[in-house]
Amino acid sequence: KAGVTQTPRYLIKTRGQQVTLSCSPISGHRSVSWYQQTPGQGLQFLFEYFSETQRNKGNFPGRFSGRQFSNSRSEMNVSTLELGDSALYLCASSLEGRDIDEQFFGPGTRLTVL
Amino acid sequence: DAKTTQPNSMESNEEEPVHLPCNHSTISGTDYIHWYRQLPSQGPEYVIHGLTSNVNNRMASLAIAEDRKSSTLILHRATLRDAAVYYCIPRGGGSNYKLTFGKGTLLTVNP
Repeated sequence: KAGVTQTPRYLIKTRGQQVTLSCSPISGHRSVSWYQQTPGQGLQFLFEYFSETQRNKGNFPGRFSGRQFSNSRSEMNVSTLELGDSALYLCASSLEGRDIDEQFFGPGTRLTVL
Repeated sequence: DAKTTQPNSMESNEEEPVHLPCNHSTISGTDYIHWYRQLPSQGPEYVIHGLTSNVNNRMASLAIAEDRKSSTLILHRATLRDAAVYYCIPRGGGSNYKLTFGKGTLLTVNP
């Protein structure tokens, strides 16, 4: 079956703009998580959604937000972009987000903020 | 979240076994031990997980110490495609639906 897809794969924005990233989970998966990866901080958890509800959120400012639709597809939004938001944004899906569930990651969206 | 300690890097030769260690001395009794790896320019991928006894799958084996304070991921015959960063992640009731990644071990495989 098809894996996790993320769009767009690459994005260039300027400071102050906003951006929306999209994630389509594996069919049947209801949990979607988002992670930010930078060379300095590594992989950091942003938030997780299940059945259109955010169940957990990492330590990121309110400029980072997300949502999940009834078909489990998810979007994340970053407003008022800063240079430090340049990163690889990864989406992962799993059946229900439980501790025993394998998480499947997408290829990521590479965001560059100029 | 339980803290983990992994070597920053390890090196192996192709077709030789590789043992990747992880210390997780603060792990709780109900935490599963997950391993993920991230190949260059790709998202992380699941490798294996276990609770108490040793586990095997088509990718690797996981050996868990009897006191569960450490574990070892075993790649039986390393290939060039196994060159990646390997992450050991304890995950249990307090994980709150997230994976907490450390710095991992960068595995280099020499031809």
